[in-house]
Amino acid sequence: DIQMTQSPSSVSASVGDRVTITCRASKGISSWLAWYQQKPGKAPELLIFVASTLQSGVPSRFSGSGSGTDFTLTISNLQPEDSATYYCQQTHSFPYTFGQGTKLQIK
Amino acid sequence: EVQLVESGGGLVQPGGSLRLSCAGSGLIFSQYAMSWVRQAPGKGLEWVAALSGSGEITYYADSVKGRFTISRDNSKNTLFLQMNNLRAEDTGLYYCAKGQGIIVPTASVDWGQGTRVTVSS
Repeated sequence: DIQMTQSPSSVSASVGDRVTITCRASKGISSWLAWYQQKPGKAPELLIFVASTLQSGVPSRFSGSGSGTDFTLTISNLQPEDSATYYCQQTHSFPYTFGQGTKLQIK
Repeated sequence: EVQLVESGGGLVQPGGSLRLSCAGSGLIFSQYAMSWVRQAPGKGLEWVAALSGSGEITYYADSVKGRFTISRDNSKNTLFLQMNNLRAEDTGLYYCAKGQGIIVPTASVDWGQGTRVTVSS
């Protein structure tokens, strides 16, 4: 199975800041990576797929990059509503696997 | 607007069975591969199983292989997860999710609100 490792596990930042979350795959997954946002008590929401394509309706302050084994999610101009847990998921091969999550707190 | 509504969760003893359902609307159900994803209390997301649009191709996490069966009835726009020989570690919130593709789901675009499964004596 492909292991997905996210860092950091948690991060705290202020409104207007830029935050970067990293996701590393245990073997190459080309660009088959998705990012999700989950707020407490809610279902996850798709932010980005195939590493860098923004899902319809997602604000442009979210961006993704990377290929192979190393990926990043960048959130620019942080807003209060960005407080959530973020997960990466590889969709290269089964079983699909998620990272352990990164909890983002807005100061 | 796509809507996915899960049902069938509940409290079950270890070794017991449950059948989860996920009713879809606002989509041509048979054109999308679907997944089940679960989340243990206070923990992260775990992909459980997926199924092609036709229902002919299935995929499972190692943790549930041989115990869970994913299926669908496209005439009723419904996805199922039959869970047998349940264990305490199967406890969690179970989400169904619509994928992007018809053979494999790739990313999960739309999610239900989940149905809760508790395995305890």
